Amino acid sequence: QKEVEQNSGPLSVPEGAIASLNCTYSDRGSQSFFWYRQYSGKSPELIMFIYSNGDKEDGRFTAQLNKASQYVSLLIRDSQPSDSATYLCAVKRADSWGKLQFGAGTQVVVTP
Amino acid sequence: DGGITQSPKYLFRKEGQNVTLSCEQNLNHDAMYWYRQDPGQGLRLIYYSQIVNDFQKGDIAEGYSVSREKKESFPLTVTSAQKNPTAFYLCASSIANSNQPQHFGDGTRLSIL
Repeated sequence: QKEVEQNSGPLSVPEGAIASLNCTYSDRGSQSFFWYRQYSGKSPELIMFIYSNGDKEDGRFTAQLNKASQYVSLLIRDSQPSDSATYLCAVKRADSWGKLQFGAGTQVVVTP
Repeated sequence: DGGITQSPKYLFRKEGQNVTLSCEQNLNHDAMYWYRQDPGQGLRLIYYSQIVNDFQKGDIAEGYSVSREKKESFPLTVTSAQKNPTAFYLCASSIANSNQPQHFGDGTRLSIL
C-alpha cells in the first residue's frame, strides 16, 4: 500500500462545475496536509494546507480533512480552464521534522 | 523577491559524466530538499538538509551526492553511477522543524545525450 494515494484521473469537469479530488494516507500519525498544483512541464505551486479536522476555504478552493478516516480532499468551485493541471497531495508525518510524502497526483481537465 | 532559483533549466549528460544542478534560495530557510519526478509520477525525495554542513539520504539517494556549505545553496550532483538520470529535478526549501509548507524552484530537466 502506498503511503499517499490519489486517483490518477483524468478527472473531466465542465467549466463552472465543482471538481472534487480525494487523497488517502496510511500513517495515522500524519499531522500536516498540503495540496499543490502542477501545470504540465512546470514545478508544483502550493494551493492550500490544512492541519485540523474540518474545512478550510481559500477563494474557490476548499480543503477538507478527516483524520479518523485518513483522507483529505480538495474542492475547486466554479472550475475554470486555467484549473486544468495535476494536483498533488502531500502529507507530513508526525515523526518527520519536515519530510513530505507525495501522492502521484490527479490530473484535472476543465472543459469549456 | 524571495524565492528559489534552479539552474540550468535544461541539462544534457553524456555517458560516464557527472553533472551538477544548482539550487539557491533567499528565503532564509534552514531546510532544503531535492526531488526527482518521472513522467506521470509523484515526487521522490533524493536528499534533504536541515542545517548547514548536514544532510541525509532520502528514498532514492543512490547515484546522487549533495553538499550544504552555505545556508542559501544546496547543489545536487548526478553521478555516472545513476544509470537512469533522465527526469525532472526539483529543489525545495522550508522552515525546519515546522508544519510550514515547502516551496519549489522552477526545476531542471535532465536528459541523456
